[in-house]
Formats: sequence, structure tokens, C-alpha cells
Amino acid sequence: NAGVTQTPKFQVLKTGQSMTLQCAQDMNHEYMSWYRQDPGMGLRLIHYSVGAGITDQGEVPNGYNVSRSTTEDFPLRLLSAAPSQTSVYFCASSYSLPGLAVPYGTDTQYFGPGTRLTVL
Amino acid sequence: GQNIDQPTEMTATEGAIVQINCTYQTSGFNGLFWYQQHAGEAPTFLSYNVLDGLEEKGRFSSFLSRSKGYSYLLLKELQMKDSASYLCAISSGDSSYKLIFGSGTRLLVRP
Repeated sequence: NAGVTQTPKFQVLKTGQSMTLQCAQDMNHEYMSWYRQDPGMGLRLIHYSVGAGITDQGEVPNGYNVSRSTTEDFPLRLLSAAPSQTSVYFCASSYSLPGLAVPYGTDTQYFGPGTRLTVL
Repeated sequence: GQNIDQPTEMTATEGAIVQINCTYQTSGFNGLFWYQQHAGEAPTFLSYNVLDGLEEKGRFSSFLSRSKGYSYLLLKELQMKDSASYLCAISSGDSSYKLIFGSGTRLLVRP
């Protein structure tokens, strides 16, 4: 298993450009999520999905779109990049919903390696 | 909504014991997680508490008191490789099952 993969690893954008961060997992996980991590601010939830065709907003959804057409893929789209979106982006997945571990341990989040995005 | 508080930084000596606290306020509660994150890397799972009490996994233990909104991560026999950030995360109980993280505690282990 490759686990959770993210592409690209690094990206530089100009203000106003759009792009898609890719996330894929090969573990048949239902729950997938996107976080951004800024220095000193921990991980902040952008969007999440509890299964194919179902997405919902997290703490900081503005400026980002997601879709979940398959179980494996959960792309994050930046509509019009802004310098405030400079961050490290992590995708995560788990078999079951966080806190609903049936069987026990199946809600452990597996994180991808991250995408470092700079918006100039 | 949720509010999660952790100390920003802690320093400890190799071989010692350190306790990292996490306090939280949430409208519902499905469980509390601890993750470890080394600089420049992705977070990795350490422990999970859903009931009150202590969960022990080798050198790491995690404690939860739901009535007090309080958890701690206990690291014993500290090693240099334990220098990392430790993230507390809450799964809320409002049927959304969002996993919300605190800002993390950066632990520096000195020789």
C-alpha cells in the first residue's frame, strides 16, 4: 500500500492563480480531510468527507473547494490564490469517522507527506 | 464550537519524565487523540482516549477526564528523538465528527 499520497510536494503560485492539490489513498478509507498548518497555529480543518459524494466544511473553508467522486481521491481546489493561503497542506484519511472507532483503532488518521504552497 | 489549549513549548532532559497537558471545551465529545509531529514531517498517531482514565502504550501514556475537559500525555524515559511537537485533537460530538486540533506543544529534549 502506498498509504496517503499528495502531489505536488512544493508549489509556488502568483496571486489570483488557481490550482488543485491532489490527495489519494489506497486503503479503502471512507473519511478524508484537508488541513492547513501555519507556524504556531497547529492544524486547521479546511474540508472533510465522510464518503464518496459527501463533503462538508471545516474551520477555515473560505477560498477552497473540494469534491469526492471516488473513495480514493479527495482533491482540494484553490479558486483564486491569495498570499494568506501560503501554508503547508496535509491530507488525512481513516477507515471510520474520528471518535467512532468500530472496530477500535479504525479512526486513526493517516496523513500524507504534505504540500508546501507559497503564494506570491 | 471547540476550544483546545496546550502549552506552546516545553523543555525536558533526556531520561526524564514530561507531562504535556491539554484542556478543551466542546459542545460534544467523541474522543481525544494525541499525535506526534517531527519538524518538516506529517503527524503520526500516538494515542486515543474516549473513556476516563489512563491508556498506556510503552513509554507513552495518555489520561482523560471528561468531566474536567482535561487530558495529558506522559512521556517516560525521554530520548532525544522525542523532540517534536505533540498535538491534541478532539472529535466533536455534534454528529459532524470533525477532528479539531490544538496548536500543539513543541517539546525540546536536552542531553
